[in-house]
Amino acid sequence: DADVTQTPRNRITKTGKRIMLECSQTKGHDRMYWYRQDPGLGLRLIYYSFDVKDINKGEISDGYSVSRQAQAKFSLSLESAIPNQTALYFCATRPKQGNPYNEQFFGPGTRLTVL
Amino acid sequence: AQSVSQHNHHVILSEAASLELGCNYSYGGTVNLFWYVQYPGQHLQLLLKYFSGDPLVKGIKGFEAEFIKSKFSFNLRKPSVQWSDTAEYFCAVNPVNRDDKIIFGKGTRLHILP
Repeated sequence: DADVTQTPRNRITKTGKRIMLECSQTKGHDRMYWYRQDPGLGLRLIYYSFDVKDINKGEISDGYSVSRQAQAKFSLSLESAIPNQTALYFCATRPKQGNPYNEQFFGPGTRLTVL
Repeated sequence: AQSVSQHNHHVILSEAASLELGCNYSYGGTVNLFWYVQYPGQHLQLLLKYFSGDPLVKGIKGFEAEFIKSKFSFNLRKPSVQWSDTAEYFCAVNPVNRDDKIIFGKGTRLHILP
C-alpha cells in the first residue's frame, strides 16, 4: 500500500549527526503520527499532529522534533542522534474523528541505526 | 494511566492449531479496539476493529475477536492457523473521548511451525 510512504527506508548514521525522516501520504487524512518500535516494547508515540498548526508531544518526544510542512507531509528530526535512538520508526495517518474508518494506516517504516 | 496488556509475548503453534491471543486494557470509559498484524519486514496492517454493536468481530484472514466489556478484554482468535500467520500481533485501544490517545500493547510474536 503506497498511500503512506517513508524515506529513507534504511539509514545508518553516527552519534551527534542530525537526521530527518520524512513521511508523505496521499490518503487526505488530517492526523499524522510518528512512532518508534523496539523489540519487546511495542510501538511508542513520539509526536502527533491533527493538522498543520496542531502538533503535540507523545510519550517519548525528548530528543526528537517534528515539522508538518503540509497536510500530506510530516517529518521527524533527530537533532543530535544517539545510539539508543536506534529503532524502527513508523509514520501513521488517521482520518478525522467521526469517520467510520478511524483506524490508523501505517507507512513501511524506516530502520535507523545510530553508531 | 491507561494501559494495554498482551499476556503472551511469544507463541509457537503448529499449523492447524487453534489460536487465542489475550489483550486486556485498563480504561473505564468507552473504547474503540483494534488488532494489527505486522508480517516479517512489513508495516502494521489492520486485522479487525470494534467500535460498537456485536461484540464478536470478524476480520480478515479468518481472524475474529470478542470484546468482553466486564473483563476489559479483546482477545484475538483463529480456529486453525497457517504458516503464513507467522507475524507479530498488536492490540490497540482508543478511548472514545480521547481522540489523541491510541495505546498499543507490546505485541505478541506468533511463530507457526509448518
